[in-house]
Amino acid sequence: QSALTQPASVSGSPGQSITISCTVTSSDVAGYNYVSWYQQHPGKAPKLMIFDVSNRPSGVSDRFSGSKSGNTASLTISGLQAEDEADYYCSSYISSTTVFGGGTKLTVL
Amino acid sequence: EVQLVESGGGLVQPGGSLRLSCAASGFTFSSYAMIWVRQTPGRGLEWVSGVSASGDTTYYADSVKGRFTISRDNSKNTLHLQMNSLRAEDTAIYYCTKELWQQHIPHGPFDHWGQGTLVTVSS
Repeated sequence: QSALTQPASVSGSPGQSITISCTVTSSDVAGYNYVSWYQQHPGKAPKLMIFDVSNRPSGVSDRFSGSKSGNTASLTISGLQAEDEADYYCSSYISSTTVFGGGTKLTVL
Repeated sequence: EVQLVESGGGLVQPGGSLRLSCAASGFTFSSYAMIWVRQTPGRGLEWVSGVSASGDTTYYADSVKGRFTISRDNSKNTLHLQMNSLRAEDTAIYYCTKELWQQHIPHGPFDHWGQGTLVTVSS
């Protein structure tokens, strides 16, 4: 059984950069190339921010970027803004199923 | 503009049934796999079920296999989830989502989400 582990919370001040990690706990990391990141504001549906590790859908700010090293993917948000405060979830297709991380609450101080 | 509008949620007793629907618009529905994802405060986001663009291939999470049935009507741009033998642990917000790529398997990324419909399983 694969799992994606994220920190429960991160915080940063406006203008700063933060990074949220997502580590796959599985021996099957060969398929860990299809990592997506979703942003969710309270009471709203998730929104796709990054797909296939580092690609941004049309309309997503270039302040959001993704990367991967080994079995850990990362989401970096630069130039933090108040509206970035939200929950962030990573997701990946691993071992023939789609799994989500537990989510990270981003607080903008 | 892509729109996904879920309906059919509500309160149901354990062992009961419920049918969720999702009305899609703003894109060529028959070209994209569709997926149901649910969310609970305790278990976070969970991929539940997916169906291919044509409707001939379906996929289920182990937690719902044998109890839930996904289907689609491409003539009406509608996605359904028939939920039987419901359990307390099925209580969640159920989101209808769209696969990003055309003719892709329904396993993400999910580029559009509905507003969700709440299913509560309780006596």
